[in-house]
Amino acid sequence: DTAVSQTPKYLVTQMGNDKSIKCEQNLGHDTMYWYKQDSKKFLKIMFSYNNKELIINETVPNRFSPKSPDKAHLNLHINSLELGDSAVYFCASSRRTSGITGELFFGEGSRLTVL
Amino acid sequence: DAKTTQPNSMESNEEEPVHLPCNHSTISGTDYIHWYRQLPSQGPEYVIHGLTSNVNNRMASLAIAEDRKSSTLILHRATLRDAAVYYCIPWNAGGTSYGKLTFGQGTILTVHP
Repeated sequence: DTAVSQTPKYLVTQMGNDKSIKCEQNLGHDTMYWYKQDSKKFLKIMFSYNNKELIINETVPNRFSPKSPDKAHLNLHINSLELGDSAVYFCASSRRTSGITGELFFGEGSRLTVL
Repeated sequence: DAKTTQPNSMESNEEEPVHLPCNHSTISGTDYIHWYRQLPSQGPEYVIHGLTSNVNNRMASLAIAEDRKSSTLILHRATLRDAAVYYCIPWNAGGTSYGKLTFGQGTILTVHP
């Protein structure tokens, strides 16, 4: 059973389209995240949610809207896709109440290509 | 966020120990030192973390300098599966920064059979 699963794994779309990436975790964690890895392989946090509440929003354009229907899911919806949105998007989860173990569990990533 | 400096790349032979260094001279007194790795085409994976004392777990050991300005991740016997990018990440888990890992460039570890 995959702990943090993302769908789709690959997504190719045209500029201007709207797309969503879904994430689910079965670890019972209360905090979920979206990270973006660009073409230069730098990984950067975009959002974090704790118990469905937005905690971190790292100056991401308004075209990106995370939605957390429940603690086990955090979806990423992107409007009006641009070429620069091409990247690998990673979902992650952790248990906030675990103190300072700092262990995040990442999914395998969703590679988005905007043409 | 504390800045880190890691070698761009390192090489090792299978079954040999590997010492991956990291400088974090601007680390604050409350920052924990975390190490993650990213295998090819996969998401990052937690390896180990520590504050002041050396730490061991089933994956690796972490040696932290007395002044905490540097640390070394030790893989005792490298396997081909250990080939990955290794990231050293100082992190303060407090407040709204929880989970905000700042990944640097990392060290690309190549393991030769």
